[in-house]
Amino acid sequence: TQLLEQSPQFLSIQEGENLTVYCNSSSVFSSLQWYRQEPGEGPVLLVTVVTGGEVKKLKRLTFQFGDARKDSSLHITAAQTGDTGLYLCAGAREGYSTLTFGKGTMLLVSP
Amino acid sequence: SAVISQKPSRDICQRGTSLTIQCQVDSQVTMMFWYRQQPGQSLTLIATANQGSEATYESGFVIDKFPISRPNLTFSTLTVSNMSPEDSSIYLCSVERETILHEQYFGPGTRLTVT
Repeated sequence: TQLLEQSPQFLSIQEGENLTVYCNSSSVFSSLQWYRQEPGEGPVLLVTVVTGGEVKKLKRLTFQFGDARKDSSLHITAAQTGDTGLYLCAGAREGYSTLTFGKGTMLLVSP
Repeated sequence: SAVISQKPSRDICQRGTSLTIQCQVDSQVTMMFWYRQQPGQSLTLIATANQGSEATYESGFVIDKFPISRPNLTFSTLTVSNMSPEDSSIYLCSVERETILHEQYFGPGTRLTVT
């Protein structure tokens, strides 16, 4: 079983649309990160959330950490073609030195 | 953040041979990791590269197949040994600057094709 369930796996939308990506688990995470990866490059850290209920904004991207620190969401407003890429959530659990990655969401934004 | 370089960026190798991938960081870091990724898919952790001791391998990965070196706090290598077409993948190294938030910074990856 996947410790971090990420959905949807694929998303194809038009420029200007809004979208939300979800990351869910039955485990509690001490911190959770979102990364974006473009073809031919490594993942790039977008944000880290650590407090239950926390909301962080990065321009048109809004990240939320669930109250119980078991889930997170990424909302993109008015998507642009430059938002195209693979979005990965990753969680850190107490007592573990490694991250648990979700399966990723491949986002394609068409003009 | 950290600036991480990997060499080679891509390679095409014959089955049965070995390839060593290098990862260089611009500053000293405690934690370095090696991942494998199929294009468009998520990351699978191969091992944690420990400085001064043997790497810590995840389930399904063994030292004979993926020997790792970590001679200092800025450099690591991953060797893919006795390659088969199933080893074709993208190999990424990452580093962690501090161990509280566990934020990782990734190299650009090495795209390996085994024929």
